[in-house]
Amino acid sequence: LAKTTQPISMDSYEGQEVNITCSHNNIATNDYITWYQQFPSQGPRFIIQGYKTKVTNEVASLFIPADRKSSTLSLPRVSLSDTAVYYCLVGDRNNAGNMLTFGGGTRLMVKP
Amino acid sequence: EAGVVQSPRYKIIEKKQPVAFWCNPISGHNTLYWYLQNLGQGPELLIRYENEEAVDDSQLPKDRFSAERLKGVDSTLKIQPAELGDSAVYLCASSRRDRPDTQYFGPGTRLTVL
Repeated sequence: LAKTTQPISMDSYEGQEVNITCSHNNIATNDYITWYQQFPSQGPRFIIQGYKTKVTNEVASLFIPADRKSSTLSLPRVSLSDTAVYYCLVGDRNNAGNMLTFGGGTRLMVKP
Repeated sequence: EAGVVQSPRYKIIEKKQPVAFWCNPISGHNTLYWYLQNLGQGPELLIRYENEEAVDDSQLPKDRFSAERLKGVDSTLKIQPAELGDSAVYLCASSRRDRPDTQYFGPGTRLTVL
């Protein structure tokens, strides 16, 4: 299983762009990079997934360099409601056996 | 479409008592997961079902934990007897069999063992 490393916590202010980087040096050819978001007292929620280059949806953007050994989740203009824990997962998305390691995540605190 | 339903949301019991958690996954999702989440940590998989078959239960402490998914739909996770260290949030998730990367989580059951 590809191991991921991400910062334990980050602070930001409303309106700023937040970038959370995840390192996954041992990523395999078939592995995708998936990010989940977890609000207090809720289960995690899938927010974005990518394989290479850039992916954007209504919630976030995901930047993946050519070597795929890291990825950056970008949250544009954060608000207080973006305060949450963000998890980076790496694995073969068709293989449930290796998509299930969440790690400690990054605790994002957005301040007014 | 209804999401993953879990009950109860909260449970307080004394040590050595039994406890059970129930989960109803999203309709049509063959794969069901039970996770344990300790405070400040990410979810840890306890067991994964494909329909009614437990295909990965290597992390389930089988001396006191059991789970079932008899008809391949809803599932029950049981602890008997509970220990102080079992205090945690128990999360249930489901996914399509071909997309385990996209899991839908329930709100969890917060267990407190006194």
